[in-house]
Amino acid sequence: EVQLVQSGAEVKKPGESLKISCKGSGYSFTSYWIGWVRQMPGKGLEWMGIIYPGDSDTRYSPSFQGQVTISADKSISTAYLQWSSLKASDTAMYYCVRRNYYGSGSYSLWGQGTLVTVSS
Amino acid sequence: DIQMTQSPSSLSASVGDRVTITCQASQDISNYLNWYQQKPGKAPKLLIYDASNLETGVPSRFSGSGSGTDFTFTISSLQPEDIATYYCQQYDNLPLFGGGTKVEIK
Repeated sequence: EVQLVQSGAEVKKPGESLKISCKGSGYSFTSYWIGWVRQMPGKGLEWMGIIYPGDSDTRYSPSFQGQVTISADKSISTAYLQWSSLKASDTAMYYCVRRNYYGSGSYSLWGQGTLVTVSS
Repeated sequence: DIQMTQSPSSLSASVGDRVTITCQASQDISNYLNWYQQKPGKAPKLLIYDASNLETGVPSRFSGSGSGTDFTFTISSLQPEDIATYYCQQYDNLPLFGGGTKVEIK
């Protein structure tokens, strides 16, 4: 089965670091771009950035550049989203997504989401 | 930077009604426009890609049209299971989502 499986929910304090993961299976992980999408509580979808695991080419939305780091380990078919110092405003659901070969930047495959809660 | 204006932000319609959502880009994005459905507590689901192409397995009551700066998403006959929030998403350079439209049953 083709799927993206994300790591579990996290509860952290402001200032702590965090790395969440997204494991792809059932397809060639190095051949598809993997992106990250943020959804703050009760709000809409925000595009964060994307990585091509084949060569680690990474692009960020200007809003998230310098705020997070996207990486991938192709040996274990896993992409990551990490923070060095969390803020309360990072509280959100985070989805990883796989870009389709067809369609212009469309995303059919979504992870189940990782809820990150940052609270003192 | 391209801006996406999606309207309305919410709507209420009866079962069987025709529902229309619009998305306007601040500059020409050709047909680089996709539509997603998100039900409460679930990940979004792709419905329409490249403005008017129906994703495999998506019911034919969903459709999309438009090109350039103005796009329309239509549900031809609203069903109870269509209660969700719908998002447009452009892909001209980096992806950008519209603000969403919450669809409720009247």
